[in-house]
Amino acid sequence: DAKTTQPNSMESNEEEPVHLPCNHSTISGTDYIHWYRQLPSQGPEYVIHGLTSNVNNRMASLAIAEDRKSSTLILHRATLRDAAVYYCILRDKGGDSNYQLIWGAGTKLIIKP
Amino acid sequence: DTGVSQDPRHKITKRGQNVTFRCDPISEHNRLYWYRQTLGQGPEFLTYFQNEAQLEKSRLLSDRFSAERPKGSFSTLEIQRTEQGDSAMYLCASSLFGITEAFFGQGTRLTVV
Repeated sequence: DAKTTQPNSMESNEEEPVHLPCNHSTISGTDYIHWYRQLPSQGPEYVIHGLTSNVNNRMASLAIAEDRKSSTLILHRATLRDAAVYYCILRDKGGDSNYQLIWGAGTKLIIKP
Repeated sequence: DTGVSQDPRHKITKRGQNVTFRCDPISEHNRLYWYRQTLGQGPEFLTYFQNEAQLEKSRLLSDRFSAERPKGSFSTLEIQRTEQGDSAMYLCASSLFGITEAFFGQGTRLTVV
């Protein structure tokens, strides 16, 4: 599995948009980009995933660069409940073990009231 | 269905003792995963099951670790002769076959003293 690079931490103000970057320069053509987040004292929670096209769901949007070597998770209007560690992970769609993923340390998102 | 549940939530044990953790996945999910997470790091894959078959084990899973999923329902993770290095959060997740989103439990925090 290819690896990802994320900033250790980011700060944002409440009710403002947040853009969380992820670099994955060694991504292969069959790798999906997944985002999970982990609130304090909780297990990880699925946020969104995509392959090539930008994706939207009720939680967030995922913007994928044209060369797929980077992506950005967008929280449109951050709330205090969005304070968490956000993980960007790659998964090979051809792999049978779809969760033998390499998780980095993620980005700790701090929301200021 | 209340999601993935893990028991116990916390376990303190003396070095050298055996411990067993239980995971109850979402009922219709046939894939079940175990991860270990240490402070400040992302989850590390340990093993996964498809129904009752254990299909993959990480090199992290030493001989002291064993996991079972009898009848393809709940799963247990046993650690024999615990060491201080085993202190971590043990996370369980489940998913539907062929569906990418995994649902995590809240984890079992193990402290070996």
